[in-house]
Amino acid sequence: SQQGEEDPQALSIQEGENATMNCSYKTSINNLQWYRQNSGRGLVHLILIRSNEREKHSGRLRVTLDTSKKSSSLLITASRAADTASYFCATEASGSRLTFGEGTQLTVNP
Amino acid sequence: DGGITQSPKYLFRKEGQNVTLSCEQNLNHDAMYWYRQDPGQGLRLIYYSQIVNDFQKGDIAEGYSVSREKKESFPLTVTSAQKNPTAFYLCASMSGNGVLYGYTFGSGTRLTVV
Repeated sequence: SQQGEEDPQALSIQEGENATMNCSYKTSINNLQWYRQNSGRGLVHLILIRSNEREKHSGRLRVTLDTSKKSSSLLITASRAADTASYFCATEASGSRLTFGEGTQLTVNP
Repeated sequence: DGGITQSPKYLFRKEGQNVTLSCEQNLNHDAMYWYRQDPGQGLRLIYYSQIVNDFQKGDIAEGYSVSREKKESFPLTVTSAQKNPTAFYLCASMSGNGVLYGYTFGSGTRLTVV
C-alpha cells in the first residue's frame, strides 16, 4: 500500500519562483527521502531527512519534516526550467524498504 | 563509472510469454529492488533482496519471479501469470549505508504487451 501522498499532483510556475510540494504519510518512519524523475528516466535521490530532524538544506532545496503531523515539504527556490520533472517522496519505516508516493509533476515555464 | 544498468530499454512481449529484465550493478551494494511504475503513478515494490541467495516479496509480487545468485545481478522475470504487465520497471540498489545516501536507480525498462 502507498504510504506517501504528495500534494499538489501538478504544479506549474514561472522561472525564478519558488516551488513547494507536500507529502503526507501514515505510519512512523525512520527517514523520509525525496527523489526526482525526469520523463521516462530513473529516479535520482535528492535529499534524506531523518525522523529526529526537522529541517535540512541542500543547495536550492529545503526539506522540512513534522513527525507529529506525519508530513514533509520540499521547497525548491529560484526555480529553473531544468527543474521540470516529477518529484516523489519516499518513506522508510523498517527493513530498508522504501514506500513511494504518487508524485508531484512540476513544470517550470521559461 | 559505477552505476546500475538495466536492459533492454524497451521490451515487447506477446501474450503468454515469459520475459526477463536484466539489472546489473557495479556499486558493491548489498540490497537490490524491483519497482513497477504505471503512467502518472508512483512506484510499487515487486521484490527485493538484501543479500545474495535471499529475496522477499514486495507489495505486488504475483506474476513475477526473481533470483539473486550474484551480488551484482538481480534479474526479474515477468511470467504469463502477470495479467497486466505493461508498465515501466525500475531497478534500484542500496549500500549498507543507504540510510545516508538513499537508493540508486537504473534508467528503467519499458515493457509492452503486444
